[in-house]
Amino acid sequence: EDKVVQSPLSLVVHEGDTVTLNCSYEVTNFRSLLWYKQEKKAPTFLFMLTSSGIEKKSGRLSSILDKKELYCILNITATQTGDSAIYLCAVWGGSEKLVFGKGTKLTVNP
Amino acid sequence: DTGVSQDPRHKITKRGQNVTFRCDPISEHNRLYWYRQTLGQGPEFLTYFQNEAQLEKSRLLSDRFSAERPKGSFSTLEIQRTEQGDSAMYLCASSVQGAGRVGYTFGSGTRLTVV
Repeated sequence: EDKVVQSPLSLVVHEGDTVTLNCSYEVTNFRSLLWYKQEKKAPTFLFMLTSSGIEKKSGRLSSILDKKELYCILNITATQTGDSAIYLCAVWGGSEKLVFGKGTKLTVNP
Repeated sequence: DTGVSQDPRHKITKRGQNVTFRCDPISEHNRLYWYRQTLGQGPEFLTYFQNEAQLEKSRLLSDRFSAERPKGSFSTLEIQRTEQGDSAMYLCASSVQGAGRVGYTFGSGTRLTVV
């Protein structure tokens, strides 16, 4: 059964800090890994990484996929209070469902 | 509003009652998904529609759960004889291509509390 493990589960930092969120996975037929940000209700899509695109960057957020070691990291530099959210990692194994991890709850204090 | 809409936002019900939730996907999206999220957990897949056809169901979807998408547009999720363990956030998502190719667009969810 496909599985996603995220760490840490919770993280508290101060504004301006850099954080690294981890996601390890086991999936029978890896096709892609996706990151979502969940602030209050609806998870919103951040990045998708595939075997052919192992690094993505958008502003202060960047993500690197290590397909050999079966993990992915999400870096956030110069954190802001608006980055406070739950960050969800999900993998796609070719069916129509995504398998999510439990998420990392990030709190950025001013 | 061009996002995914879910109704109601909150539902409190007594154990044993039936509840029904509605999801209106983005109009051009032919794929629709239901997920369930409990506190401290990530979303868990329940079921998937392509147009009006229900093509995949999780074993989490017990026989008390039924989902429909009669005209390939909006969808309903019904839970019969609710139990306290059904308390969760029920998320709907839609997509125009496969799940992992472009990512879903999620709705804001329906929070169900069974008392």
